[in-house]
Amino acid sequence: QQQVKQSPQSLIVQKGGISIINCAYENTAFDYFPWYQQFPGKGPALLIAIRPDVSEKKEGRFTISFNKSAKQFSLHIMDSQPGDSATYFCAASKERAGSYQLTFGKGTKLSVIP
Amino acid sequence: GAVVSQHPSRVICKSGTSVKIECRSLDFQATTMFWYRQFPKQSLMLMATSNEGSKATYEQGVEKDKFLINHASLTLSTLTVTSAHPEDSSFYICSARETSGKPVREQYFGPGTRLTVT
Repeated sequence: QQQVKQSPQSLIVQKGGISIINCAYENTAFDYFPWYQQFPGKGPALLIAIRPDVSEKKEGRFTISFNKSAKQFSLHIMDSQPGDSATYFCAASKERAGSYQLTFGKGTKLSVIP
Repeated sequence: GAVVSQHPSRVICKSGTSVKIECRSLDFQATTMFWYRQFPKQSLMLMATSNEGSKATYEQGVEKDKFLINHASLTLSTLTVTSAHPEDSSFYICSARETSGKPVREQYFGPGTRLTVT
């Protein structure tokens, strides 16, 4: 059972455009939703994260929109640049036996073309 | 801040040998570290949760006798792949969660270790 569904699998955006990646979850116990950026051969880097008591969070060109009732959240990358080309993973976290484990989406490969 | 290192970054070993991968939190203390496995063009799959001073908790389907985890200090966790076989070839990534009096959710990831078993 895939607990966090991510779409699209791949995305091509022109430089300066807006990249939008969507995720949906089922388990209402999730209460922390981070986004990670991963370049080939590297580990994921935390981009931005949100908790369900907030509907939107913005950090620079990156914005998370969160819809608690629909159990959906999305990442918007404004003014997309070629350097943003990477794989993006959404994740969801809940407490489990005193730990806070992450469940990842399957990833979205973003290509920003000049 | 919040830097996690892994060593080695790449390792090639012969089938049947054991390989140890180190994960260190460089500028913070981590009570909890996590080990993930990632196949090409796929997502991260949690293998185990490692707590300092106690036994690791393995996810369903992960052989604990094959993937030995030791979290000996607040800045170091190791993953040993014992009797490695070609199907163990993968990208192994660790992450660490900072020790704090309040529940800290952020996980910081290492750069990963590419294991190739020949």
